[in-house]
Amino acid sequence: DAMVIQNPRYQVTQFGKPVTLSCSQTLNHNVMYWYQQKSSQAPKLLFHYYDKDFNNEADTPDNFQSRRPNTSFCFLDIRSPGLGDAAMYLCATSRDRGRDQPQHFGDGTRLSIL
Amino acid sequence: RKEVEQDPGPFNVPEGATVAFNCTYSNSASQSFFWYRQDCRKEPKLLMSVYSSGNEDGRFTAQLNRASQYISLLIRDSKLSDSATYLCVVDGGFKTIFGAGTRLFVKA
Repeated sequence: DAMVIQNPRYQVTQFGKPVTLSCSQTLNHNVMYWYQQKSSQAPKLLFHYYDKDFNNEADTPDNFQSRRPNTSFCFLDIRSPGLGDAAMYLCATSRDRGRDQPQHFGDGTRLSIL
Repeated sequence: RKEVEQDPGPFNVPEGATVAFNCTYSNSASQSFFWYRQDCRKEPKLLMSVYSSGNEDGRFTAQLNRASQYISLLIRDSKLSDSATYLCVVDGGFKTIFGAGTRLFVKA
């Protein structure tokens, strides 16, 4: 039944070792988002794809990259994870951008850095 | 000033109580407004959209005041299962901003 699926649920990586988080959706939505959420803080938008068009937030570090090879899949790549990157990473989708387009979230991937 | 501000709480209320949360936003051009619910260590889930005329979904009522740039959520007859963090979300069409959330604890 899950419509936005994130893998893995938990990811442990070493300091500086590249890691990739995965998101897939069965909703056929045009927009896919990646958020970072730290404890007791608001989800922070990193970037989003509107179809194939990549939109980076101005304050997203270069260490974070994304790929969307097709409508269904989107990946978050962290090139050299630092201790400060430990967080929950949330993928979300919306049918379109603009008015009244609620976002649907996956379960998230909790990333730990050793 | 934060773009979206919420009282972090926590709000501790007994079952059956009525509780209200407010959220203020800074961008007067914002177009869409939502309330999400987030349980501990889980993903946010859409609770309801907020429309200009106000809207109700069972025990939940949402209102928007564009002049004062705030939205509100009213929960009537609180249940234990309502315990969660409630996130205010403001969308300008190309930028979505989440509030940090208000924590609610409903006690028996």
